[in-house]
Amino acid sequence: GAVVSQHPSRVICKSGTSVKIECRSLDFQATTMFWYRQFPKQSLMLMATSNEGSKATYEQGVEKDKFLINHASLTLSTLTVTSAHPEDSSFYICSALRGGGPDTQYFGPGTRLTVL
Amino acid sequence: TQLLEQSPQFLSIQEGENLTVYCNSSSVFSSLQWYRQEPGEGPVLLVTVVTGGEVKKLKRLTFQFGDARKDSSLHITAAQPGDTGLYLCAGHRGFGNEKLTFGTGTRLTIIP
Repeated sequence: GAVVSQHPSRVICKSGTSVKIECRSLDFQATTMFWYRQFPKQSLMLMATSNEGSKATYEQGVEKDKFLINHASLTLSTLTVTSAHPEDSSFYICSALRGGGPDTQYFGPGTRLTVL
Repeated sequence: TQLLEQSPQFLSIQEGENLTVYCNSSSVFSSLQWYRQEPGEGPVLLVTVVTGGEVKKLKRLTFQFGDARKDSSLHITAAQPGDTGLYLCAGHRGFGNEKLTFGTGTRLTIIP
C-alpha cells in the first residue's frame, strides 16, 4: 500500500519561531499533496493544495504568508509555520494524491505542533 | 457551514450492540469515503463508494451511498472495543474535484 510519512511527529517551539513540517510519499510520486489542520475533538480542515513545481492554492481564511508551502519534488512537500503563536498549536496532517483510477488520498500520520 | 454533517457526534455503546452513523449533505458528491482515525494518528481509509445506491461490506461494517449521492451511512454489527475511534466521512464535491471535504466526525466508544 501507499505510504506517506511526516516529520517531525511532534514539535514544541517558542512563540515567534518558525517550524517546518515535511510530508513525503515514500513509494509513489505525488504531483498533488494536501495540508490539513485538525483542532482537538474536531474534524480535518483543508488548509491548502500543494502542487509540484507551482504555487500552492490556499483555502479561504488561510494566510499564505504565515503557512508557507513548498512542493519542490514529486515526493516531498513542506509546510512552514512562520512566526508561530499559541493559537497555531494544532495537529497538522498531510496527504498525497495517487493517480490512476478513483482519486485516492493517502494520509500521513500527522504532526503535533505545540507553540509555547 | 459544514458541507457534510455527521450524526451522532458522539456515541458510546456496549460491546456486541449494533450502530449506524450518518453523513448528510445538501450537495452532490462524485464519491464518498469513510475513514477511521485513532488519537495522534492520521485517518485511515475504510472504503470508497462511487455509485449512487451502492452498498459495500467490510466484515462487520456496511457502507451505503445514497441514491442521490448526497448522503451515506456506516452500519457496524456487533461492535467490538477495537472499533473505537473517530469516524470521518469525506467526499469529492461535484465531479473532477480533487479536494476532499470532511464531515464533522463521529466519536465512537465501545465499552467492553
